[in-house]
Amino acid sequence: DTAVSQTPKYLVTQMGNDKSIKCEQNLGHDTMYWYKQDSKKFLKIMFSYNNKELIINETVPNRFSPKSPDKAHLNLHINSLELGDSAVYFCASSHLGGEQFFGPGTRLTVL
Amino acid sequence: GQQLNQSPQSMFIQEGEDVSMNCTSSSIFNTWLWYKQDPGEGPVLLIALYKAGELTSNGRLTAQFGITRKDSFLNISASIPSDVGIYFCATPRDGTASKLTFGTGTRLQVTL
Repeated sequence: DTAVSQTPKYLVTQMGNDKSIKCEQNLGHDTMYWYKQDSKKFLKIMFSYNNKELIINETVPNRFSPKSPDKAHLNLHINSLELGDSAVYFCASSHLGGEQFFGPGTRLTVL
Repeated sequence: GQQLNQSPQSMFIQEGEDVSMNCTSSSIFNTWLWYKQDPGEGPVLLIALYKAGELTSNGRLTAQFGITRKDSFLNISASIPSDVGIYFCATPRDGTASKLTFGTGTRLQVTL
């Protein structure tokens, strides 16, 4: 009965690989987000989708491509992974403009 | 860009002590949010403030929206071990509630 779930919890991969992180929410929210938390714990928004439409797209490399197949899912695909992509990635969801509920995070390590 | 600076950066306190932390910015905001991140988990909203001078409590937590609208404060009374974590302030950016900017965080450690 987890509200916002992410898979995988941990992801270790080599530089240059392509990987995806999946997010699902069962709260009936219409807006979903991806955040990146770096090693210093700075938390920064990357993308947001409302009803499957992209509404926030911060300055993020083109190697990052979010995809929302439906309102309950927002996946993050990363091409050509780099060392600097190592971080914890959090998915979140909300009603538009409402309280954001965060997932447990995916710790990505690029070797 | 806007930046939210939190102080202190980290705190080591004994169980039972009271805790105070703050969040400041050079910009004026209409909303201040306080989140807590437990180790290995995502942030959870603790308190939301919408009016200058507003004082809101959630159990042992009390947060205040600064009069200048450029700062906010969070107090925790009678700390317990489960208060351990990172506390973040956050504000909506560019007038968009969906676009949150998070502060630099205050890491709290509680010893028995």
